[in-house]
Amino acid sequence: KQEVTQIPAALSVPEGENLVLNCSFTDSAIYNLQWFRQDPGKGLTSLLLIQSSQREQTSGRLNASLDKSSGRSTLYIAASQPGDSATYLCAVEAAGNKLTFGGGTRVLVKP
Amino acid sequence: EAQVTQNPRYLITVTGKKLTVTCSQNMNHEYMSWYRQDPGLGLRQIYYSMNVEVTDKGDVPEGYKVSRKEKRNFPLILESPSPNQTSLYFCASSFWGGSDEQYFGPGTRLTVT
Repeated sequence: KQEVTQIPAALSVPEGENLVLNCSFTDSAIYNLQWFRQDPGKGLTSLLLIQSSQREQTSGRLNASLDKSSGRSTLYIAASQPGDSATYLCAVEAAGNKLTFGGGTRVLVKP
Repeated sequence: EAQVTQNPRYLITVTGKKLTVTCSQNMNHEYMSWYRQDPGLGLRQIYYSMNVEVTDKGDVPEGYKVSRKEKRNFPLILESPSPNQTSLYFCASSFWGGSDEQYFGPGTRLTVT
């Protein structure tokens, strides 16, 4: 059974510092991996989607890498801002269109 | 505006009283799914649907029913709610399935007493 882990569960950084968020998964037979952002009391917003054949995806200040063989993905957020404060979740798709989510990393960017 | 809507957003009910949480999307997506989010357990998939009249179980389907009679709607039905179904529920949709960008609704916070 696929298990997805995100460590740390919470992270606090000063504004301007780069953020590094980790995601690990136990079964490397995935189709893709997605990173989401969740603000308090709201739904999830998709940030980046990496197909299994890709090594990374970039969008603005966000960069996500994927290493299937080691079961890891990393989300980098450059030059963090207070508006980046949120919970970040990763999810992997294995067989059958099922997504398995990690527990999330709660990020606080202090001004 | 492209969106996934859920109703109600908040619901307090009693054990055994049947309820339905509606989900609707206006993006002509084929794939829709339901999740529940619980502290310490994260997001877990309840049911998903690849197309009209096609539904399948996720990881935690017990106690829930779904139907997909129209492409845009995917209601979640709790025939006899119990306190362990107190949770935050999210509906999501995408064009083709789990490999596509997922669009989430705003969530429904359900409390069963």
